[in-house]
Amino acid sequence: QVQLQQWGAGLLKPSETLSLTCADYGGSFSDYHWSWIRQPPGKGLEWIGEINHSGSTNYNPSLKSRVSISVDRSKNQFSLKVTSVTAADTAVYYCARAVAGRSIIFYYYYIDVWGKGTTVTVSS
Amino acid sequence: SSELTQDPTVSVALGQTVMITCQGDSLRSYYASWYQQKPGQAPVLVIYAKNNRPSGIPDRFSGSSLGNTASLTITGAQAEDEADYYCNSRDSSGNHVLFGGGTKLTVL
Repeated sequence: QVQLQQWGAGLLKPSETLSLTCADYGGSFSDYHWSWIRQPPGKGLEWIGEINHSGSTNYNPSLKSRVSISVDRSKNQFSLKVTSVTAADTAVYYCARAVAGRSIIFYYYYIDVWGKGTTVTVSS
Repeated sequence: SSELTQDPTVSVALGQTVMITCQGDSLRSYYASWYQQKPGQAPVLVIYAKNNRPSGIPDRFSGSSLGNTASLTITGAQAEDEADYYCNSRDSSGNHVLFGGGTKLTVL
């Protein structure tokens, strides 16, 4: 059974760097897209960015200047860094595994495994 | 546009059928996936690739798609279906991932 275990600091001061790591235990790391998604208190889901096993990344344009995602294939882990955090970055951060492909007519994309989430609070 | 639009709230009487919709240009080329989220929990995939259910998801959940609109239908809604529901796809360029704003489902 695939499990994603995530960890990182939960309390930051403004201007600090958020750093989270997620590990895939039990899956095939190379076949998927690996994403970070966040959810501010009382709000919806916001995609932050993704990386695949070869290290190719895509980022949400609204966060791109502050975000980097990296992968450690030897440990089946991927990591998120968000620089210069503010109170607006306060959220539950999820790591997630996604499947992408194409059927005859349409493309498909779905997230089949989520981490449990890490609550990150930015406060002075 | 590169966004997915959902109605913020929907309600359904216990045992009745409800449809939750998601609109966006990307849905003309991408199947939507759907997630259920209950308070304090991570989202759970309920429908993927138009109308496929992961193992363990009841068959009262189904999906459909027409034009730029995807729909999640719950046939015979149960009290435990009360939750937030999110649709998801990639954008039309394929470079970014989109989430709808979410629909809060109330079972009366």
